[in-house]
Amino acid sequence: GESVGLHLPTLSVQEGDNSIINCAYSNSASDYFIWYKQESGKGPQFIIDIRSNMDKRQGQRVTVLLNKTVKHLSLQIAATQPGDSAVYFCAENKGTGNQFYFGTGTSLTVIP
Amino acid sequence: DVKVTQSSRYLVKRTGEKVFLECVQDMDHENMFWYRQDPGLGLRLIYFSYDVKMKEKGDIPEGYSVSREKKERFSLILESASTNQTSMYLCASSYGLAGRWSTDTQYFGPGTRLTVL
Repeated sequence: GESVGLHLPTLSVQEGDNSIINCAYSNSASDYFIWYKQESGKGPQFIIDIRSNMDKRQGQRVTVLLNKTVKHLSLQIAATQPGDSAVYFCAENKGTGNQFYFGTGTSLTVIP
Repeated sequence: DVKVTQSSRYLVKRTGEKVFLECVQDMDHENMFWYRQDPGLGLRLIYFSYDVKMKEKGDIPEGYSVSREKKERFSLILESASTNQTSMYLCASSYGLAGRWSTDTQYFGPGTRLTVL
């Protein structure tokens, strides 16, 4: 079946550096993508989303890039802070109603 | 802000017990969802509902049932709990349009970590 995957399961960055978390998807019909942050023991928290008619979307310290040609999604976090340490995962709309495929996540560790 | 609450953060039950997990959202959302989250598997959809008294099976509905008697509340029921149902259970809601498909952002509750002994 179609699935969402991540290139790296773990990522460590120095505080203040920029972080890039990647996500590959395989369903070319997907038209909506979401990045979530999940801290230990908590539910996923919405970070940013992007629809397929866009290539880039920016939020506060975060940017999502969508490359539909290679079916690739990335989350960039600027000036990474210790509070950014969490698991980040992407969600891909299945294209059949309000259902999503979810990736397994990348664990980001920020080194002070 | 959207608020999704779940009745328990931690729950321990015995095999064969009937288990109720409750979820409430306060944003008048049409759609509600139940997922389970297991290490290495990501979130898997159990059931969802796009309207009161409406329910649809997700990817892994076996061993579960749901109830949505009121718009703000969506309950997950384990009819006879088994050890392989030990997991983190997450509820989510999204705006949607009653009875129609939508692609809105899903907002999650804090999760219930269920252990079945």
